Amino acid sequence: GENVEQHPSTLSVQEGDSAVIKCTYSDSASNYFPWYKQELGKRPQLIIDIRSNVGEKKDQRIAVTLNKTAKHFSLHITETQPEDSAVYFCAAGTNFGNEKLTFGTGTRLTIIP
Amino acid sequence: EAQVTQNPRYLITVTGKKLTVTCSQNMNHEYMSWYRQDPGLGLRQIYYSMNVEVTDKGDVPEGYKVSRKEKRNFPLILESPSPNQTSLYFCASSPLSVTNTGELFFGEGSRLTVL
Repeated sequence: GENVEQHPSTLSVQEGDSAVIKCTYSDSASNYFPWYKQELGKRPQLIIDIRSNVGEKKDQRIAVTLNKTAKHFSLHITETQPEDSAVYFCAAGTNFGNEKLTFGTGTRLTIIP
Repeated sequence: EAQVTQNPRYLITVTGKKLTVTCSQNMNHEYMSWYRQDPGLGLRQIYYSMNVEVTDKGDVPEGYKVSRKEKRNFPLILESPSPNQTSLYFCASSPLSVTNTGELFFGEGSRLTVL
């Protein structure tokens, strides 16, 4: 089955700086890569996703890049703000008959004011 | 309001006492799934369902059962709970398949403690 590794497990950045979280996956058939944000005590929510036919996707201050050859994808947050503090999960999935979405272990991001 | 509702939100129980965590969604979603969240392990899928009467195992199905008799409901059953099932449980739904639509809608979570 799919295995998703996520690094780092914790990350602290100064407000206004950029944050990068990286994930690698094992199944070359995976073609869908979402990122979820979970604020303290709340449910995970989708913030951005990318499919294998795209190398990069941006949405305001967040962006995701995908390298299918190397089987890794990354979340980039620019101009970080206190409300970006949360746990971020990457995930990998495929729609070729396998509807299981495998999540990474999460990154706790802390923005230092 | 579109939502996924889980009950109970908090439960403390004892080993071996059967319990059910209910999950209901009002968005007419075909796909539903259960995850457990443990520190350092992220979200791990327990079971999922593509539609009524169609369920399949996720990565950690041992000790759990599910059923999908109606489109809106997807209960999680612990026939004989054990302490290693102490966890935070999330139900989620999505229209069609999660990989086709791009978003899982999560419930608020159910924190279960098994003594």
